[in-house]
Amino acid sequence: GAGVSQTPSNKVTEKGKYVELRCDPISGHTALYWYRQSLGQGPEFLIYFQGTGAADDSGLPNDRFFAVRPEGSVSTLKIQRTERGDSAVYLCASSLGPSSGELFFGEGSRLTVL
Amino acid sequence: QKEVEQNSGPLSVPEGAIASLNCTYSDRGSQSFFWYRQYSGKSPELIMFIYSNGDKEDGRFTAQLNKASQYVSLLIRDSQPSDSATYLCAVNPNSGGYQKVTFGTGTKLQVIP
Repeated sequence: GAGVSQTPSNKVTEKGKYVELRCDPISGHTALYWYRQSLGQGPEFLIYFQGTGAADDSGLPNDRFFAVRPEGSVSTLKIQRTERGDSAVYLCASSLGPSSGELFFGEGSRLTVL
Repeated sequence: QKEVEQNSGPLSVPEGAIASLNCTYSDRGSQSFFWYRQYSGKSPELIMFIYSNGDKEDGRFTAQLNKASQYVSLLIRDSQPSDSATYLCAVNPNSGGYQKVTFGTGTKLQVIP
């Protein structure tokens, strides 16, 4: 596709449920990032993939959060046992490679945990 | 201390004026600096990047970098109401050989017609 695609755009779930958020990066972009943005805050780094492997997962807040990118393209962010504090916009971004500074963001997935 | 600090604003300027947005960062070894614009309800988009000390101009936008002072700024000349948005400063500490871009909280700019 022309840009980074994220699905779903909105997700409402109940506390304790499992959620998956999907990101389809720009074709040819090898680097993929997940960020989380709460209201009035800047994007908070979660995890970075170069190819299939997670090169840096230091931003994942706890072991309820996990992300995969099995074929080096589409990535899925998985959140187990969701909590109300997980409510935020989850942004995915891709770039040409590790030396490229320009991140192209998707429109985000807004997660609301009731 | 936050890695990237910005005044959250709002910064209000009249149409046609110069808007000055500022950012400081904590990691003295940082190499790459970016300004992203984020309209309300939308995702961030890159508008400027700067790697070397001094000024970099692109149209109405000028990015300024002073590594000794750990300070980066964005000037918007002839501000337009369409410039009203949140401006995010982002820094790459350049550790590990890849671009772990860290964002500030953003400064909300309001351009008054």
